[in-house]
Amino acid sequence: EIVLTQSPGTLSLSPGERATLSCRASQSVISSFLAWYQQKPGQAPRLLIYGASNRATGIPDRFSGSGSGTDFTLTISRLEPEDFAVYYCQQYGTSPPMYTFGQGTKLEIK
Amino acid sequence: EVQLVESGGGLVQPGGSLRLSCAASGFTFSGYWMSWVRQAPGKGLEWVAHIRQEGSEKYYVDSVKGRFTISRDNTKNSLSLQMNSLRAEDTAVYYCARVGRGNSGWSIDYWGQGTLVTVSS
Repeated sequence: EIVLTQSPGTLSLSPGERATLSCRASQSVISSFLAWYQQKPGQAPRLLIYGASNRATGIPDRFSGSGSGTDFTLTISRLEPEDFAVYYCQQYGTSPPMYTFGQGTKLEIK
Repeated sequence: EVQLVESGGGLVQPGGSLRLSCAASGFTFSGYWMSWVRQAPGKGLEWVAHIRQEGSEKYYVDSVKGRFTISRDNTKNSLSLQMNSLRAEDTAVYYCARVGRGNSGWSIDYWGQGTLVTVSS
């Protein structure tokens, strides 16, 4: 079973700054099956990035994803006040067919 | 507009049972894999189960195998999760979720608002 480890656990930044969130897998992940989600308090998660680097419908272009193999990154180029939330990476494995989530990175206002 | 509305959550004693339902609308329900994902209070996301379009394939996280059953009724655009032998560690918000198609890479593209299940005596 693949384990996803996100770092840092908490990231404190100011609006306008650049955020870089990391997701490291315990073994190689198919890039097509790597996604990122945003979750705000009291809300359901929202899909941001699929296939490691593709923005989901309606997601602003300040969000970008990159990476391959075991190392993936979510970058928010210039933080807006509404971007402060918890972010999760997720991978889909086919043997067995199952989803794995990282433990999350909390992005908080500095 | 895609909508997923969960119901059926509540307080149940350890060892008890509960059935969650999800009403789907705004898309062709029978054309998508569907999933349940849960989140314990203050914790991260955990995938629970998912089911193929016609219901012929079902997969579960190890911790619920033999206790939970996912099912669907495509005539009613409905997804269900039957939960038996509930444990305190099953306490969580349960989300109904749609699995994307095509090049979405099995990402979960729509989520319901969730229903809270509390297992406690």
